[in-house]
Amino acid sequence: AIQMTQSPSSLSASVGDRVTITCRASQDIRSEVGWYQQRPGKAPELLIYATSSFQSGVPSRFSGSGSGTDFTLTISSLQSEDFATYYCLQDYNYPRTFGQGTKVEI
Amino acid sequence: DVQLVESGGGLVQPGGSLRLSCAASGFTLGNYWMTWVRQAPGKGPEWVANIKGDGSKIYYADSVQGRFTISRDNAQNSLYLQISSLRAEDTAMYYCARDTSPHLGGLWYDAFDVWGQGTMVTVSS
Repeated sequence: AIQMTQSPSSLSASVGDRVTITCRASQDIRSEVGWYQQRPGKAPELLIYATSSFQSGVPSRFSGSGSGTDFTLTISSLQSEDFATYYCLQDYNYPRTFGQGTKVEI
Repeated sequence: DVQLVESGGGLVQPGGSLRLSCAASGFTLGNYWMTWVRQAPGKGPEWVANIKGDGSKIYYADSVQGRFTISRDNAQNSLYLQISSLRAEDTAMYYCARDTSPHLGGLWYDAFDVWGQGTMVTVSS
């Protein structure tokens, strides 16, 4: 199975900060990565699919980039509602695999 | 409103079985791949299985292959996950999710755009 390694596992930031989360795949997965946000006690929510395509309703401060093995989720100006845990998910092959998560804390 | 509602979770002994259900409303279930994702307490999500809209293709995680069975009844707007030979490590919140399967640049992608609230499965004696 493809391993998705996220970094950092957690970070502390302030409102207005630019935040970057990376995900590295154990093999070339082209552009087949999505990003999900999860708040405590809630189901994950889709932010981005196909590396950089926005899910409807997602604020434009979120963006995704990358290809091959290295992928990035960027929050350009962190807002209070963005404090959550973020996961990447590869859909290049089966079984699908998530990264271990990045917790964004105040 | 588009909605998914899971049910069927509970406390079960090791080796036992449960049937999880996911009731869909507000959209035509048969038009979508559907997925089950689970999350153990304090851990990240784990993809479990998915099934094509017409039921013709099914995939499982290695950890559940041979023990779990995904199925669907589009006429009843329902998705199911039969979970058997349960182990302590199967303890988790189980979510169903809709996959819009966007097609971009010649590739099909996953995009789990609607999730249920989850149903908790606890495996313990």
